[in-house]
Amino acid sequence: DQQVKQNSPSLSVQEGRISILNCDYTNSMFDYFLWYKKYPAEGPTFLISISSIKDKNEDGRFTVFLNKSAKHLSLHIVPSQPGDSAVYFCATTGGGSQGNLIFGKGTKLSVKP
Amino acid sequence: GAGVSQSPSNKVTEKGKDVELRCDPISGHTALYWYRQSLGQGLEFLIYFQGNSAPDKSGLPSDRFSAERTGGSVSTLTIQRTQQEDSAVYLCASSLAVRVYNEQFFGPGTRLTVL
Repeated sequence: DQQVKQNSPSLSVQEGRISILNCDYTNSMFDYFLWYKKYPAEGPTFLISISSIKDKNEDGRFTVFLNKSAKHLSLHIVPSQPGDSAVYFCATTGGGSQGNLIFGKGTKLSVKP
Repeated sequence: GAGVSQSPSNKVTEKGKDVELRCDPISGHTALYWYRQSLGQGLEFLIYFQGNSAPDKSGLPSDRFSAERTGGSVSTLTIQRTQQEDSAVYLCASSLAVRVYNEQFFGPGTRLTVL
């Protein structure tokens, strides 16, 4: 059973508009969340993260929001640029001391000029 | 500086053959992870190494899968008697340590196709 869910396999947005990517998780013990971005034929690259002690973290055009009561997080990209077109993965470290990441299936973002 | 490298980039093999996939982590990174991404799926954890500690093998899907890390650096993932369901992109990542907040840096992956 999936512990991290990204229910939208794809999203298409016009350049300059806001992109909102969503992620849900199942376990309220999860306490650290990350977004990774992946271009074709490349490995995922870290984008932004958030700890459960916060509800928002911002880095330039990227903002991640965390709603612990809903077990939901979202990544906002504004303004969206064509170079943002990629697959975005939501991930968590889980709630323990393990080092591996638990990933969602990803959302493919297409930003159209 | 050099990132995580993996070889080969592509591997096509016949069902039943053994394959070895290689990962060179970033120099100085003590933690190394293997994941795989099957078609339409997210990244699935396989195994990780931290320094000289026993590896966490909890994600390995069967005993046909094994991994080694020699000298705390290069790692090899071996799949014996490959099956068609083993077809996936195998990704390696490294980080400074196995800690919750340490960023994992990924290699480009090895695309394995089992015919």
